[in-house]
Amino acid sequence: GAVVSQHPSRVICKSGTSVKIECRSLDFQATTMFWYRQFPKKSLMLMATSNEGSKATYEQGVEKDKFLINHASLTLSTLTVTSAHPEDSSFYICSGQDRGRSGELFFGEGSRLTVL
Amino acid sequence: KQEVTQIPAALSVPEGENLVLNCSFTDSAIYNLQWFRQDPGKGLTSLLLIQSSQREQTSGRLNASLDKSSGRSTLYIAASQPGDSATYLCAASNQAGTALIFGKGTTLSVSS
Repeated sequence: GAVVSQHPSRVICKSGTSVKIECRSLDFQATTMFWYRQFPKKSLMLMATSNEGSKATYEQGVEKDKFLINHASLTLSTLTVTSAHPEDSSFYICSGQDRGRSGELFFGEGSRLTVL
Repeated sequence: KQEVTQIPAALSVPEGENLVLNCSFTDSAIYNLQWFRQDPGKGLTSLLLIQSSQREQTSGRLNASLDKSSGRSTLYIAASQPGDSATYLCAASNQAGTALIFGKGTTLSVSS
């Protein structure tokens, strides 16, 4: 299958700082990428849809000013958690859609964020 | 709005047993249905993708079926092995280009 690389895999930061997570599609062009959040022993919750060259679409209840998403190229989307708070600690996973493969979604390995 | 439910939430079986994981969805107008595997603390591995025009897909010991009329999909695992122990997630999308909506998963434990 197609490969999506997510970095960093783990990050620890202090409250009030900002953290950027990168999501890259390595062998396909992803005009659309999706960002999910997963709490311990819970399922994946969609946070936002990222479209290359345009503003992201956020799900209800997700603060767009806190979770900044940028999709500047066909292979890179970034999620920046601003003014991080301990309640932002979670597992964040991105996915890219390969339209050449029947719209199948491929997921990154996820980023574990811990805010102290 | 699409909702995906998975039953059971957890399942323990001895090695060698055949098993079925169930997934149901509320909106039958789905575009794609995907089954994933997730190991603890890891990302998702795509197992099978079933497009709306298909009824089933097979990969090795795995077989996934799709019945849109009843709003159900099943993942059949033949001859289970301890290495199959993981959480299995079912997810559906309703249109091309839209996100997958996930169920809460079934955590499978296969004992040797």
